[in-house]
Amino acid sequence: DGGITQSPKYLFRKEGQNVTLSCEQNLNHDAMYWYRQDPGQGLRLIYYSQIVNDFQKGDIAEGYSVSREKKESFPLTVTSAQKNPTAFYLCASSIYSGTGSYEQYFGPGTRLTVT
Amino acid sequence: QQQVKQSPQSLIVQKGGISIINCAYENTAFDYFPWYQQFPGKGPALLIAIRPDVSEKKEGRFTISFNKSAKQFSLHIMDSQPGDSATYFCAASKEHGSGNTGKLIFGQGTTLQVKP
Repeated sequence: DGGITQSPKYLFRKEGQNVTLSCEQNLNHDAMYWYRQDPGQGLRLIYYSQIVNDFQKGDIAEGYSVSREKKESFPLTVTSAQKNPTAFYLCASSIYSGTGSYEQYFGPGTRLTVT
Repeated sequence: QQQVKQSPQSLIVQKGGISIINCAYENTAFDYFPWYQQFPGKGPALLIAIRPDVSEKKEGRFTISFNKSAKQFSLHIMDSQPGDSATYFCAASKEHGSGNTGKLIFGQGTTLQVKP
């Protein structure tokens, strides 16, 4: 069963704690992305990675960190420096070929609540 | 230059009617325009996409119309059904040429409610 897995579905943390969100894909996609979604807003790009051991900041990277040690995994850490971390976090992946399609496929999301 | 503006913010349509959602972009380098459908608490799902070499693409009840000169594209849902009630996002990216990263720029989303 191919797809993108995000865990957990719901996550609760106290303010000041770092938390890591998991994202795994078995689609053999090269590129992976992390987005943040707030109520009534579109998706905003946090970080993306086109190949293993390389990643770039998106539009709202402050207070977040990522790693890409394996092609299938792209965990996101929400640090205590993130001012307003409560949100719905979405992971996506796509094939990166340089000349082909960049169709992005999304995981089911993780809803993070920080109190 | 990187924005994608989507309207309306919300839309109510009767069952069987046509739902129309519009998007406008600024960056003429964009060459890939997908639409995503998202149900509450779920991740967005790719619905249909178009590239600027065609002016229209149809898949079942869903049609994208693309106007390159106006830098606008729209989603038409024919014979709208209650099961189509969801949030729809347009997006744009630069797939080809220098600087292509596959990064999607999303519109703000449109919440569609189809009344029975």
